[in-house]
Amino acid sequence: AQSVTQLGSHVSVSEGALVLLRCNYSSSVPPYLFWYVQYPNQGLQLLLKYTTGATLVKGINGFEAEFKKSETSFHLTKPSAHMSDAAEYFCAVSQISGGGADGLTFGKGTHLIIQP
Amino acid sequence: DTAVSQTPKYLVTQMGNDKSIKCEQNLGHDTMYWYKQDSKKFLKIMFSYNNKELIINETVPNRFSPKSPDKAHLNLHINSLELGDSAVYFCASSPVGSGLWNEQFFGPGTRLTVL
Repeated sequence: AQSVTQLGSHVSVSEGALVLLRCNYSSSVPPYLFWYVQYPNQGLQLLLKYTTGATLVKGINGFEAEFKKSETSFHLTKPSAHMSDAAEYFCAVSQISGGGADGLTFGKGTHLIIQP
Repeated sequence: DTAVSQTPKYLVTQMGNDKSIKCEQNLGHDTMYWYKQDSKKFLKIMFSYNNKELIINETVPNRFSPKSPDKAHLNLHINSLELGDSAVYFCASSPVGSGLWNEQFFGPGTRLTVL
């Protein structure tokens, strides 16, 4: 079984400050890891993903995440927050099954608030 | 040119009714999914379909039934609606088997309200 824990249901940062959203996962096999963003009343948009290879992954809108196997973590960061970053962020994990058609297991989400 | 589309966007109905939500993807993907997002924004997978074959059914009540008339469509039928079914339902698709496993593309969601 796999699971995802996102620390902090709400994170508030000032505009221009560092954004750090925490994600820890549990998986019995090497995972695929994802960060999705959901803007109000919209669907989910993929920010970035880790499958194999380089452990530092760069995504859209200046976000990046680092896969740390020893810590079972995949934290999301952005050096300088922008007002438009205010949204709900979801970490998700998947693993390859025999059929390859696994769904994603999501964390409970972190609501990012940007203060002017 | 919408990749994954859902209709309707909003659905308000009475308890006990039967309703359907439609999903279409024009990405040529092999697998489609339905997720439920509850009032606390928790997302949980309900179903996935690969080549018209049900792959996952995550202990969803049998009042919910996915139907896939072709590879590009996966509709969600719900019978005897209950108050607890109120949620946002997301459709997604994925190019499974192409080396891009499990990168899922989501539709805009359907907000279902059961009165």
